[in-house]
Amino acid sequence: AQTVTQSQPEMSVQEAETVTLSCTYDTSENNYYLFWYKQPPSRQMILVIRQEAYKQQNATENRFSVNFQKAAKSFSLKISDSQLGDTAMYFCAFRRATGGGADGLTFGKGTHLIIQP
Amino acid sequence: DTEVTQTPKHLVMGMTNKKSLKCEQHMGHRAMYWYKQKAKKPPELMFVYSYEKLSINESVPSRFSPECPNSSLLNLHLHALQPEDSALYLCASSHSIQETVRDTEAFFGQGTRLTVV
Repeated sequence: AQTVTQSQPEMSVQEAETVTLSCTYDTSENNYYLFWYKQPPSRQMILVIRQEAYKQQNATENRFSVNFQKAAKSFSLKISDSQLGDTAMYFCAFRRATGGGADGLTFGKGTHLIIQP
Repeated sequence: DTEVTQTPKHLVMGMTNKKSLKCEQHMGHRAMYWYKQKAKKPPELMFVYSYEKLSINESVPSRFSPECPNSSLLNLHLHALQPEDSALYLCASSHSIQETVRDTEAFFGQGTRLTVV
């Protein structure tokens, strides 16, 4: 079984600042995927960014980037030039690479990010 | 169309009622999921369907009965629920075979907010 740990229950930053959300995980799998999902008050989970464990290069999506340290089992999310619309709950999630067939996501407890005007 | 549609958005039911939650997607995904999310907690996996067959049941009580009548529809039948079953129920879908990293993305619906009285 795998576990995902997010140690920051809540963070607050000013608009336009850069913020980093932490995530660590534990697994015996060698192939897997890691994700950051955002859940605003509208409740819908939205994918922010994904990372394949077998890729050393850190994923980036516009203002969002990750720092993936496979040996340390760490997967942090950096949000640059933060915007009011980034205010949401952010969940780090793990999924095994099953190679075939479906598998669910294991989520961390989440970090509530508040962007202050 | 990258939408997962869940109905109803809100549901209040008594402990002796029978009700159903519905989820629909038209992205050609052959994996569909039910998650339960309590307030201020992460989603927890309940069931996984792959090619319309139940592949994962995370020891969910029998008062929750999933059904996948076709590749686009997923139902969750509810019977004799308890007040502690009150939660947000999220449906998600993804490709069942992950040939590329993009195939691993799970798309979520907005959820059904269930209250058991």
